[in-house]
Amino acid sequence: EVQMVESGGGLVQPGGSLRLSCAASGFTFNIYWMSWVRQAPGKGLEWLANINQDGSEKYYVDSVKGRFTISRDNAKNSLYLQMNNLGAEDTAVYYCAIADRGPIGNWGQGTLVTVSS
Amino acid sequence: DVVMTQSPLSLPVTLGQPASISCKSSQSLVHSDGNIYLNWFQQRPGQSPRRLIYKVSNRDSGVPDRFSGSGSGTDFTLKISRVEAEDVGVYFCLQVLHWPWTFGQGTTVEIK
Repeated sequence: EVQMVESGGGLVQPGGSLRLSCAASGFTFNIYWMSWVRQAPGKGLEWLANINQDGSEKYYVDSVKGRFTISRDNAKNSLYLQMNNLGAEDTAVYYCAIADRGPIGNWGQGTLVTVSS
Repeated sequence: DVVMTQSPLSLPVTLGQPASISCKSSQSLVHSDGNIYLNWFQQRPGQSPRRLIYKVSNRDSGVPDRFSGSGSGTDFTLKISRVEAEDVGVYFCLQVLHWPWTFGQGTTVEIK
């Protein structure tokens, strides 16, 4: 069974940093592009970043470019999101997702990040 | 960025009746490989989003066949042939052709 489990969310002060992790299982992790997506409370969805199979290609939405870094460790079947210089606008549930345009498009259950003093 | 516009934003439906959601993109979603990269998601209350449809009309594994997708170019539709109580939630379209990938605003389906 395909499964992704996010962790690392929590309360952080404005200007602070946080690193999210996503543990993947049930599929061949190293052949898929992977992504992070977020949803602010009561709001819509925003696709944040994509990373290719070996980590050599990364794409970011403008709102997080220069502040967030997506990375992966294929040996550990894990995806990461390093978030720096966080602001209130980054408060959201963060989801790990398989960035596949084909038959596999699973998401994790999400981890909540709250930026507040 | 490609703008995805859904309508209606709220859709009250009677159980057992059909429902239809429209999604229009500001640019064509047709790739040079011939595929059209438009997906549909369902988010039930309190749950994470779940993909229902990929490449316009392909149902994901486990998705009931009362859900169907259609469309071409810039105009797309998600149809539920007979709404059931478990279909209550918010439905999003997502284009995965142009970076950044972008979602529609969401359509809330509720039972009348």
